[in-house]
Amino acid sequence: EPEVTQTPSHQVTQMGQEVILRCVPISNHLYFYWYRQILGQKVEFLVSFYNNEISEKSEIFDDQFSVERPDGSNFTLKIRSTKLEDSAMYFCASSEQSGETDTQYFGPGTRLTVL
Amino acid sequence: AQSVTQLDSHVSVSEGTPVLLRCNYSSSYSPSLFWYVQHPNKGLQLLLKYTSAATLVKGINGFEAEFKKSETSFHLTKPSAHMSDAAEYFCVVSDLRTGNQFYFGTGTSLTVIP
Repeated sequence: EPEVTQTPSHQVTQMGQEVILRCVPISNHLYFYWYRQILGQKVEFLVSFYNNEISEKSEIFDDQFSVERPDGSNFTLKIRSTKLEDSAMYFCASSEQSGETDTQYFGPGTRLTVL
Repeated sequence: AQSVTQLDSHVSVSEGTPVLLRCNYSSSYSPSLFWYVQHPNKGLQLLLKYTSAATLVKGINGFEAEFKKSETSFHLTKPSAHMSDAAEYFCVVSDLRTGNQFYFGTGTSLTVIP
């Protein structure tokens, strides 16, 4: 069964450093998403991406964050200058279609620890 | 605004007994509702979803959920728990206004006692 994969599974970085989290969505999916879950809190939407453009983003997704689809298979989330409060589990997801009824398929997550 | 409340952060059941994981939602529009399960070191796996068709939805692994608009609930049930059901369960809502932004509950950790 096709699945979303994410690398690395755990990333440790120093405050102020840039990090890139990588995701490989399901191959025939066109819509891509990032969510995050700070320890003990809810999973929160960050951004959705379609046709090489951001389609929606939340208040969390400020100028420190960017997303990119550098080639036909990868989808990345970059945090330019990490803060302590960026420590969280980051989930990538993809879907065939867009809309409130369409299933999003999630990867296993990348745990980001900022020291 | 959309929101989801999972009433129990942790549920413990004996193997072979019924499972009930509670979820209440808030939505100004006709919602779509999902249950996802996460096993350790695995991705969030879709169990089932409701999208305005039948109110009783059957999912994988014997789980089902009933959409009750009058109670704004979407509780997840299974008649007989199996050891492999031990995991974290998330209730999720989306609607016409939020589109592809999913709103998650805080999750319920299910323990199955042998």
